[in-house]
Amino acid sequence: DGGITQSPKYLFRKEGQNVTLSCEQNLNHDAMYWYRQDPGQGLRLIYYSQIVNDFQKGDIAEGYSVSREKKESFPLTVTSAQKNPTAFYLCASSIVARHYEQYFGPGTRLTVT
Amino acid sequence: AQTVTQSQPEMSVQEAETVTLSCTYDTSESDYYLFWYKQPPSRQMILVIRQEAYKQQNATENRFSVNFQKAAKSFSLKISDSQLGDAAMYFCCLKSTTQGGSEKLVFGKGTKLTVNP
Repeated sequence: DGGITQSPKYLFRKEGQNVTLSCEQNLNHDAMYWYRQDPGQGLRLIYYSQIVNDFQKGDIAEGYSVSREKKESFPLTVTSAQKNPTAFYLCASSIVARHYEQYFGPGTRLTVT
Repeated sequence: AQTVTQSQPEMSVQEAETVTLSCTYDTSESDYYLFWYKQPPSRQMILVIRQEAYKQQNATENRFSVNFQKAAKSFSLKISDSQLGDAAMYFCCLKSTTQGGSEKLVFGKGTKLTVNP
């Protein structure tokens, strides 16, 4: 079955540590996205990539970094510079020409204490 | 800047009845898309329905339909014959163009729908 996987579902880290969230897709989509979701808020775009080895900052990129070395993978690193990292993180992918039709992964809940 | 506003943080409906979720938006673009996404307790986002702004006809997907009022910049979602499985957060969403020319989605804050048996 084609889809997007994010692991783990729950992640706990100590403050000051960098942590990397994984996102893998086998839909053959060129575009991939990372969103952050806080309680009572909609999704906010962190980073997106439309092609391998290229990515763009979204609305809230500060304190985050990404890489896109393979078409299937778009890992997100939450660095110690991110002031409020505890949140729910969603990864998505799409065909570039139909970027609005995004397929979402199940998400990762990150808790930093 | 493009914005999406959902004024109803929570809504409830009796099973088998109809409910309408409201959404207003603002955009300076003439050609755009609007969407409703559903996020059930599993937290995975699911595309429910989409509307192209250039189309006058309201989109329909089975029990889900929209009332698209372009002049009023309103995009409400109607769920008919509500089912327990419809209980979820519903997000209204607008396709937007970034300063760099790329396209992205702008989400509202969501409406939590409860379906009562």
